[in-house]
Amino acid sequence: EVQLVESGGGLVQPGRSLKLSCAASGFTFSNYYMAWVRQAPKKGLEWVATISTSGSRTYYPDSVKGRFTISRDNAKSSLYLQMNSLKSEDTATYYCATLNTVDYWGQGVMVTVSS
Amino acid sequence: DIQMTQSPSFLSASVGDRVTINCKASQNINRYLNWYQQKLGEAPKLLIYNANSLQTGIPSRFSGSGSGTDFTLTISSLQPEDVATYFCLQHNSWPRTFGGGTKLELK
Repeated sequence: EVQLVESGGGLVQPGRSLKLSCAASGFTFSNYYMAWVRQAPKKGLEWVATISTSGSRTYYPDSVKGRFTISRDNAKSSLYLQMNSLKSEDTATYYCATLNTVDYWGQGVMVTVSS
Repeated sequence: DIQMTQSPSFLSASVGDRVTINCKASQNINRYLNWYQQKLGEAPKLLIYNANSLQTGIPSRFSGSGSGTDFTLTISSLQPEDVATYFCLQHNSWPRTFGGGTKLELK
């Protein structure tokens, strides 16, 4: 059974950092580009980052570029999102996903940025 | 960045109705468009990829069409389990961008 399980969310103050993790199982993780997608409360979906299979290429929208870093450890079948200089507008549920025709999503993890 | 304009943002229809949802790209994205369904409290699920290819396991009442800048998701005969929010996603270029979503409810 395919599983993507996110962890590391929670309440954090503006300007602080948080690191999300996503543990993958049930498929060959190293064969897939992986992505983070977020959804602010009662809002739409926003793509946050994508990483290539080897980790050598990463992609970000301007809204998080320079603040967020996506990485992976294929030996551990794990995906990460390091989030620095957090803002209130980063408050959202964060999903890890393949965002591919092979369509796998985690259940999401909530991040709340508030003082 | 490519902007994806989805319409309508809200749709109310009856069981058995034919439903269409549209996505318009601000520039040519060829056929690099996916459609997702998100039910309340769940992660999104891929329905259609590359504009018109039905994802494995998705009922055949769902179909997609279009190319270039204009795309359509059609549900041929609405079922109660289709109540959800639908999103389009362009994967022609970076940054990837989603449409704003269409919330589909039963009349």
